[in-house]
Amino acid sequence: GAGVSQSPSNKVTEKGKDVELRCDPISGHTALYWYRQRLGQGLEFLIYFQGNSAPDKSGLPSDRFSAERTGESVSTLTIQRTQQEDSAVYLCASSPWRTGGGETQYFGPGTRLLVL
Amino acid sequence: GENVEQHPSTLSVQEGDSAVIKCTYSDSASNYFPWYKQELGKGPQLIIDIRSNVGEKKDQRIAVTLNKTAKHFSLHITETQPEDSAVYFCAASTGTASKLTFGTGTRLQVTL
Repeated sequence: GAGVSQSPSNKVTEKGKDVELRCDPISGHTALYWYRQRLGQGLEFLIYFQGNSAPDKSGLPSDRFSAERTGESVSTLTIQRTQQEDSAVYLCASSPWRTGGGETQYFGPGTRLLVL
Repeated sequence: GENVEQHPSTLSVQEGDSAVIKCTYSDSASNYFPWYKQELGKGPQLIIDIRSNVGEKKDQRIAVTLNKTAKHFSLHITETQPEDSAVYFCAASTGTASKLTFGTGTRLQVTL
C-alpha cells in the first residue's frame, strides 16, 4: 500500500512568516509522530499523536510550534513567525496501534524548510 | 530521558568487507531498537529492528545484536556493496506509542 506522504517537499519562506507542513499517514495507522532533522544531524522528536490527541508534546521547541490531527488521518505542523534556526527537514512517521510490532515507525520523505 | 550514542560517525570500507556500527543507550526501560538507512534527500527507511527479548536477529547480509546488560546494540553488514553507502541511524524506544530517540548517525561509504 501507499506509504507516508508529506507536502510540500520543499518550502522556502521569509523570516517572520508562518508555514504549514502536512503529513498523510499510512491508512489505518493510529499513531503519528513529527521529528526534525537539522543538516547533518540526527532526528529530534517533536510531538506524538494517538488518534487526534497528543499525549506527548515534549519535543516542541517553543510556543511558535503547534500541530493538530484530524481523527486518525492528516496532521498539520504549523510554525509561526519562522526564524532562521527553524530551517531543517521535518519528518513525519506513523505506526499501527498493536502489541508486537506496533512500535515500528514508518517515515515519510520529509519537508525541507528553508527560512531566509 | 533516554540518550543514545552512536559510533563511528563515518566509516569507509571496501566492497565485500564487513561494516559494524555500535550504539549505547541509557534508559534501562528501552525495549525496542530499530536501525534506519537514510539516503540523500530521502526519509529514513527501516532496515532491521530488535526487541529486548532476543539477543540477535539476522536478515540476509544484515544482523543486529543486543546486550541488555551493557546497554549496547550493534549493526553488522556483511559483504558490503556500493548501494549500502548511506547514513545509518540507530534508535531506541520503550515500545508501542513511544517516541524514538536517535543516535547521531554513521555515514557509511563503500568503495570499489
